[in-house]
Amino acid sequence: AQSVTQLDSQVPVFEEAPVELRCNYSSSVSVYLFWYVQYPNQGLQLLLKYLSGSTLVKGINGFEAEFNKSQTSFHLRKPSVHISDTAEYFCAVGYQKVTFGTGTKLQVIP
Amino acid sequence: DAGVIQSPRHEVTEMGQEVTLRCKPISGHNSLFWYRQTMMRGLELLIYFNNNVPIDDSGMPEDRFSAKMPNASFSTLKIQPSEPRDSAVYFCASSLSRGPETQYFGPGTRLLVL
Repeated sequence: AQSVTQLDSQVPVFEEAPVELRCNYSSSVSVYLFWYVQYPNQGLQLLLKYLSGSTLVKGINGFEAEFNKSQTSFHLRKPSVHISDTAEYFCAVGYQKVTFGTGTKLQVIP
Repeated sequence: DAGVIQSPRHEVTEMGQEVTLRCKPISGHNSLFWYRQTMMRGLELLIYFNNNVPIDDSGMPEDRFSAKMPNASFSTLKIQPSEPRDSAVYFCASSLSRGPETQYFGPGTRLLVL
């Protein structure tokens, strides 16, 4: 069985401030983790993924995430957000059948 | 390259009518996924195919839903008869192969059943 918990449904942050979106996972097999972003009225697109190797994963648009096995977490971070980062962010876990979290809406305030 | 193509983009229908959603995956991709997104339930996997064969349809809500993939470049999701609770955004996604591959999502079909 696998599951993902995104505790924050909404995160407001001022432009140019840092942000962290939290994700905790549960998986009974090998762990493959993903972060996807969904802009309004669009499909999801991949930000980054962890399959193996370095626990710090860098993605597109300046985002990065750190895999922490002991804490079963895969938090997403960006040191300085931009207005264009306003979107909904989904954490996901799985091999081929992927389970998505409920999403975190990031609202960047000018 | 063209991404995943879905049609129609919007569909409004009346309860009891048949609805057919269509998807063209990215050329060369051999895994295809159908998802449903609602405010209440979030993003749910309905069914996925590998090499045109349905692998897991445990997410299909009930017998009113059916999905086919007659060839590598086309899939349909059919709802018959439709009900108001089927109103949602339906996404199709494709990936290159089996395994933890990136899924590429289409723009979605926004379905409203009156």
